[in-house]
Amino acid sequence: EAGVAQSPRYKIIEKRQSVAFWCNPISGHATLYWYQQILGQGPKLLIQFQNNGVVDDSQLPKDRFSAERLKGVDSTLKIQPAKLEDSAVYLCASSFEGTGSTDTQYFGPGTRLTVL
Amino acid sequence: AQSVAQPEDQVNVAEGNPLTVKCTYSVSGNPYLFWYVQYPNRGLQFLLKYITGDNLVKGSYGFEAEFNKSQTSFHLKKPSALVSDSALYFCAVRDPRMRGSYIPTFGRGTSLIVHP
Repeated sequence: EAGVAQSPRYKIIEKRQSVAFWCNPISGHATLYWYQQILGQGPKLLIQFQNNGVVDDSQLPKDRFSAERLKGVDSTLKIQPAKLEDSAVYLCASSFEGTGSTDTQYFGPGTRLTVL
Repeated sequence: AQSVAQPEDQVNVAEGNPLTVKCTYSVSGNPYLFWYVQYPNRGLQFLLKYITGDNLVKGSYGFEAEFNKSQTSFHLKKPSALVSDSALYFCAVRDPRMRGSYIPTFGRGTSLIVHP
C-alpha cells in the first residue's frame, strides 16, 4: 500500500513570509497527525485530526500556525508569518483509527523548512 | 505527565556485535511504548511496540525490545548489528489512561553508528 505522502520535501523562505505544507495519509486512515521536529530533538505533536475534526491542538501555536482537513482525507498545515525558530522538519503521520492509543502511526518523509 | 529519556546521544558498535539502545520512561500506570527508526532525509518508520503481554517484543529488521516494569525501561536490542542499521532511533510513550487525545511523547533520539 502507498505510504503517507507529503509535499514539498524542502522549502526555504524568509522570515515573515507564509508557507503551506500538504499531506495525503494512507488510504482508509481516519487519524492524521502533524509533528514538528527541530534538529536534535524528537518529534513534537502539533495537531491531531480524527476524520475532519480536531482532536487535540493544544501544542499548536495558533497565532501563526493553522491546519485543516476539510474532507477528512488530505490536510494542509500553514505558517503565517514564519519566524526563524520555525525552521524544522514537519512530519505528517496517519493511523487507522486512533480511538485507541495502541494504534501504530505511519510517518511521511517530512518537509524540511528553513526560515532565513 | 508522561516522559521518556534516551540517555545516550550516540551508540557505536562494530558490525556483527550485539547492540542496545536505551530508553526509560515515566508514566502513571501501564505504558504503551514504541520504537521508531529514522534514516537520513526520511520520516520515522515503526519498528515495534509494547502494549501488554510478553515483555519481549519482536519487531522489524531483527530488532526486539524488552519491557521492564521495575526499571521503567524499554531498551531496543539486536543480536548482530548491520552497517545498514546506522540511523536515528526514537523511543515514544503513551499514557493509555488519556481519553480523546493520544499525544505520544518522543525521546530526543539516539544516533546508532555501526562500524564495518
